[in-house]
Amino acid sequence: NAGVTQTPKFQVLKTGQSMTLQCAQDMNHEYMSWYRQDPGMGLRLIHYSVGAGITDQGEVPNGYNVSRSTTEDFPLRLLSAAPSQTSVYFCASSGQGWGNQPQHFGDGTRLSIL
Amino acid sequence: DAKTTQPTSMDCAEGRAANLPCNHSTISGNEYVYWYRQIHSQGPQYIIHGLKNNETNEMASLIITEDRKSSTLILPHATLRDTAVYYCIVRVGGNQGGKLIFGQGTELSVKP
Repeated sequence: NAGVTQTPKFQVLKTGQSMTLQCAQDMNHEYMSWYRQDPGMGLRLIHYSVGAGITDQGEVPNGYNVSRSTTEDFPLRLLSAAPSQTSVYFCASSGQGWGNQPQHFGDGTRLSIL
Repeated sequence: DAKTTQPTSMDCAEGRAANLPCNHSTISGNEYVYWYRQIHSQGPQYIIHGLKNNETNEMASLIITEDRKSSTLILPHATLRDTAVYYCIVRVGGNQGGKLIFGQGTELSVKP
């Protein structure tokens, strides 16, 4: 059982480049979300999805796009990377009744923007 | 903003119980109390959650006050591997909720 899988684990980009952070889960979870964590801080919610075809914004959505075409995958896109987006990114998922189901987190993607 | 208040840091002797407090005085009736921890820069690990009754699992116990305005996470026999940042989070239950709003957490240091 793989749980939540994030790829890549590390990435270095130049300012202005685009990339997609991948997140996949094999637990048939409806709820998926993306967080970023900056040094010395807690996680902040970027975007989330309550099912295929449904997405919504979290606390810090600017500069990021998401889509949810399947239950399993929830990619996060940076269209034009900026140094302020240097961070560790975590993906998480929950099952049905997600408010009272624990979220399972991936191991994170460490992203540096030069 | 996070709806919880936690001490910034705590120390605990190895083998002793670690009691981590959390205040959530504005909690609503449909909000659950969740605890997660984060070891180094790994992904947060779920520990336990509850609505109003005390809860226990293989990792920890959660004690929620009767008025639900505060709670305590108890690690009964702390080990060095329990050194981590512990987050207390309130979260709306059911399919209307889901968002986890993280605060700064408590940095627990377990010492030999």
